[in-house]
Amino acid sequence: DSGVTQTPKHLITATGQRVTLRCSPRSGDLSVYWYQQSLDQGLQFLIQYYNGEERAKGNILERFSAQQFPDLHSELNLSSLELGDSALYFCASSPGREETQYFGPGTRLLVL
Amino acid sequence: GQQLNQSPQSMFIQEGEDVSMNCTSSSIFNTWLWYKQDPGEGPVLLIALYKAGELTSNGRLTAQFGITRKDSFLNISASIPSDVGIYFCAGQRVDMRFGAGTRLTVKP
Repeated sequence: DSGVTQTPKHLITATGQRVTLRCSPRSGDLSVYWYQQSLDQGLQFLIQYYNGEERAKGNILERFSAQQFPDLHSELNLSSLELGDSALYFCASSPGREETQYFGPGTRLLVL
Repeated sequence: GQQLNQSPQSMFIQEGEDVSMNCTSSSIFNTWLWYKQDPGEGPVLLIALYKAGELTSNGRLTAQFGITRKDSFLNISASIPSDVGIYFCAGQRVDMRFGAGTRLTVKP
């Protein structure tokens, strides 16, 4: 157990809908990262937050947004969902800005 | 997109054999990490390397941070069935980039 928690574990929704994925980092970690992993693919970095502020942006679509709250948990919002958005979404956390990341168990999203 | 070239893409080995996989990049990284992912689970950190030339072991696993800072390898000795999974390398400078993974199958 990495100490990073993600909810929900599974999510099934329809095209055009909007969903919110939640992540709680390890105790004391200030950075939260979001990744997308499509079937049999590697991990694609989406976005990083450090202590409430956006720090780095990767291949995140405009339909996706994220935020980190004062208690350091983070939410990833996915809107106007498409079939191709079906994937595993992982959250990771680290103590600082550029340190080793520890991953949560992921949220499996299925868009029908 | 991926900036790390990880090889091999997959490996089928017999229990007890040694395994070697590596990652190369055209970019320099400050940290190299190796993760293992079981199906449907999140990646679990195996080894982190912070210094060029560093050689680190974790049980049957050994990894090295290349001198040029552009490559790293992971060796697994005397493989066992529970070593099955996907192994990812990751290089970190500002953000972290992942290799495409090496899928390891171990036959008992």
